[in-house]
Amino acid sequence: NAGVTQTPKFRVLKTGQSMTLLCAQDMNHEYMYWYRQDPGMGLRLIHYSVGEGTTAKGEVPDGYNVSRLKKQNFLLGLESAAPSQTSVYFCASRSDRDSLSGNTIYFGEGSWLTVV
Amino acid sequence: ILNVEQSPQSLHVQEGDSTNFTCSFPSSNFYALHWYRWETAKSPEALFVMTLNGDEKKKGRISATLNTKEGYSYLYIKGSQPEDSATYLCAFVRGSTLGRLYFGRGTQLTVWP
Repeated sequence: NAGVTQTPKFRVLKTGQSMTLLCAQDMNHEYMYWYRQDPGMGLRLIHYSVGEGTTAKGEVPDGYNVSRLKKQNFLLGLESAAPSQTSVYFCASRSDRDSLSGNTIYFGEGSWLTVV
Repeated sequence: ILNVEQSPQSLHVQEGDSTNFTCSFPSSNFYALHWYRWETAKSPEALFVMTLNGDEKKKGRISATLNTKEGYSYLYIKGSQPEDSATYLCAFVRGSTLGRLYFGRGTQLTVWP
């Protein structure tokens, strides 16, 4: 199983450029997330989705937009990239079903973005 | 803003030492507490999901306990090995917002041979 796949893995952008990060999951999960990871800050939630067609803001949503047109895909867009958005971005997904073992979150391998 | 605190921020131990770290979270509206192991340049992987007060989980040399009434969880590593070096993250799930996990900043563990 592919699990959670992010593309691209690496990207360098110039300030003001736009780009979209794509996240795809093949586990039929309802919940999907975009996090950014910066040194000393842990994982910070940008946006998340609790189902197809829904999105919600996380802790640090400014400068980003998201869309969940299909259940398996969650797109993160940067309309006008800024150096402060240089970070490692992680997509994740999770089932909404309760189970004895709980429902863990599955992460993609990360996307390294540099804005110059 | 919901605070999930982890301590210590970093820890250096010798191979063979046992160690533990703490995750503190709000004691109200508890639903679940997750622990993840995160190695550099890899994606975080799940260790435990804990849902009941008094839960104890174990996987090999790693174990975790949960106290939902006072809002803390401990992660223990017995006989640390260099391959245990990683950042250990906890994440809190609140009952009113089941879709969202609130992560702590992690404890970075380094085990020296």
